[in-house]
Amino acid sequence: GDSVTQMEGPVTLSEEAFLTINCTYTATGYPSLFWYVQYPGEGLQLLLKATKADDKGSNKGFEATYRKETTSFHLEKGSVQVSDSAVYFCALSLYTGNQFYFGTGTSLTVIP
Amino acid sequence: EAGVAQSPRYKIIEKRQSVAFWCNPISGHATLYWYQQILGQGPKLLIQFQNNGVVDDSQLPKDRFSAERLKGVDSTLKIQPAKLEDSAVYLCASSPQGADSPLHFGNGTRLTVT
Repeated sequence: GDSVTQMEGPVTLSEEAFLTINCTYTATGYPSLFWYVQYPGEGLQLLLKATKADDKGSNKGFEATYRKETTSFHLEKGSVQVSDSAVYFCALSLYTGNQFYFGTGTSLTVIP
Repeated sequence: EAGVAQSPRYKIIEKRQSVAFWCNPISGHATLYWYQQILGQGPKLLIQFQNNGVVDDSQLPKDRFSAERLKGVDSTLKIQPAKLEDSAVYLCASSPQGADSPLHFGNGTRLTVT
């Protein structure tokens, strides 16, 4: 079935380090792909999205490229800040029925 | 625009009691979702509405959970009777109709069943 697999956490980085969080997907059709971020005590917020192969989503210094050949949508940031500490969720949606599938989340802690 | 509103923010009940959560989606959003998020896990879809009709409730434990969407706008999710394993954050989300539309989440209701 349709699903998302993302790398296990937690991840701890020093400020200004490079971040990669891996995400791969399985889908029967041509999904849209998303990264959501969840800060403590809050709901999920959209971070970025890509709707077709080779699209690059970007926001707040984060980037992810929709790779159809490797069914991946890895999240990257060149220089993390303490304020980036949160849980990151990869998700896909299928046009049919607008259904969403989420990964299990990756907790990121950035230390000064 | 106003975001997705949920209430209450926190609820503590004893097992076998009942509880209800309320959600007001973003105005004009046709699709409304209820997710259950257990600590350390990703959101799990409980039910999806399109206007006031149910699109997907395949993972809703119907023996104890029920949900309705009044007039295609507000929604309530009820648990009766609650079990210890229902302790989780219940997230409501809404989305406008159309492909590629992202979900907009509320802040959730944290339920603790003792």
